[in-house]
Amino acid sequence: ELKVEQNPLFLSMQEGKNYTIYCNYSTTSDRLYWYRQDPGKSLESLFVLLSNGAVKQEGRLMASLDTKARLSTLHITAAVHDLSATYFCAVRGSNYKLTFGKGTLLTVNP
Amino acid sequence: DGGITQSPKYLFRKEGQNVTLSCEQNLNHDAMYWYRQDPGQGLRLIYYSQIVNDFQKGDIAEGYSVSREKKESFPLTVTSAQKNPTAFYLCASTTPRATEAFFGQGTRLTVV
Repeated sequence: ELKVEQNPLFLSMQEGKNYTIYCNYSTTSDRLYWYRQDPGKSLESLFVLLSNGAVKQEGRLMASLDTKARLSTLHITAAVHDLSATYFCAVRGSNYKLTFGKGTLLTVNP
Repeated sequence: DGGITQSPKYLFRKEGQNVTLSCEQNLNHDAMYWYRQDPGQGLRLIYYSQIVNDFQKGDIAEGYSVSREKKESFPLTVTSAQKNPTAFYLCASTTPRATEAFFGQGTRLTVV
């Protein structure tokens, strides 16, 4: 059974600092997704990573995928308050089941 | 514009009643999913469907039922057997090669 583990679950950062969120998964997969969720809202797609070594960047966020280590990272550079949200990773298993991590609640403080 | 539409946005149910949540997509996606999210929690998979007239149970299917009679539609029924149905329900669909996975805006169900 595919399990997806995110850490940390809670992250409080100062503006201007860098940090990384980690997403580990337990079985082979060829699709890894990162989402952002604001309070009371649905999920907004950030990145889709499709192959080993894939790296994607958008603004202050950069995501990477290492399929051999079964690990994806979401790196935050020079955090700003607007990045405060909950971030989820999700992995598609071989049976098309899409499994989510528990999410990382990010708070960026002035 | 293409997208996933969930309705209603808010839904109130009396104990013992069945209710049906609607999910429609015009993206021509084959796969569709239903998730439940409780406050401060992650997403848990209820049911998913890869093709019309076929669907599989997810991790928390008890007390829920679905149908997939049309490619565009994947309604979720919350039955009276679901003892704690108050939650935020999200519907998603994916492209044929799962290069994208999109979500609807969600339905917030409250039992009164």
